[in-house]
Amino acid sequence: AQSVTQPDIHITVSEGASLELRCNYSYGATPYLFWYVQSPGQGLQLLLKYFSGDTLVQGIKGFEAEFKRSQSSFNLRKPSVHWSDAAEYFCAVGMDSSYKLIFGSGTRLLVRP
Amino acid sequence: ETGVTQTPRHLVMGMTNKKSLKCEQHLGHNAMYWYKQSAKKPLELMFVYNFKEQTENNSVPSRFSPECPNSSHLFLHLHTLQPEDSALYLCASSQEAGGNEQFFGPGTRLTVL
Repeated sequence: AQSVTQPDIHITVSEGASLELRCNYSYGATPYLFWYVQSPGQGLQLLLKYFSGDTLVQGIKGFEAEFKRSQSSFNLRKPSVHWSDAAEYFCAVGMDSSYKLIFGSGTRLLVRP
Repeated sequence: ETGVTQTPRHLVMGMTNKKSLKCEQHLGHNAMYWYKQSAKKPLELMFVYNFKEQTENNSVPSRFSPECPNSSHLFLHLHTLQPEDSALYLCASSQEAGGNEQFFGPGTRLTVL
């Protein structure tokens, strides 16, 4: 069955430091991959997506993610974190001919001043 | 109005009440979704509608009753809920299946007393 794993429940980084959030998926074919961000009390906002082509994708707010087929991973990165990036981040995988998105359990990012 | 809107944003109800959640999308999408987001649990897909037809019911208890009168509106009718149904209920829409990104509303925070 398809699944998404985000191994880090919480991550704390200092403002200005780099960030990497991990995401691993289980799916037999090439998946559609997404990263969403959720601020407290809000819905989910799409940061970036991978469908095909270049395995390094750029998103909004200075985020990027790299699809590594050999590792079944789609890690999210940002070179310099801002205090406003504190939120919960969700990785998701979508499949052909299906409306389902399978979400990971999320990683909560805390930013130290 | 743009994007996906949800009303009300907050709802407190007793176990014997009947209430409804409303979702409206202004994106011209064909598919709409209800998700449940509880603390410390992954996002749970509840229902999917495509062109007003229900295509997925993820074993949701019958005390939750969805309604999709047209492609722009989605309702979730609630009756005789339990305290464990307290959660953030998120509505989303997408253009179609096959991995298209879903756009989320801000959610309704439901508390069942």
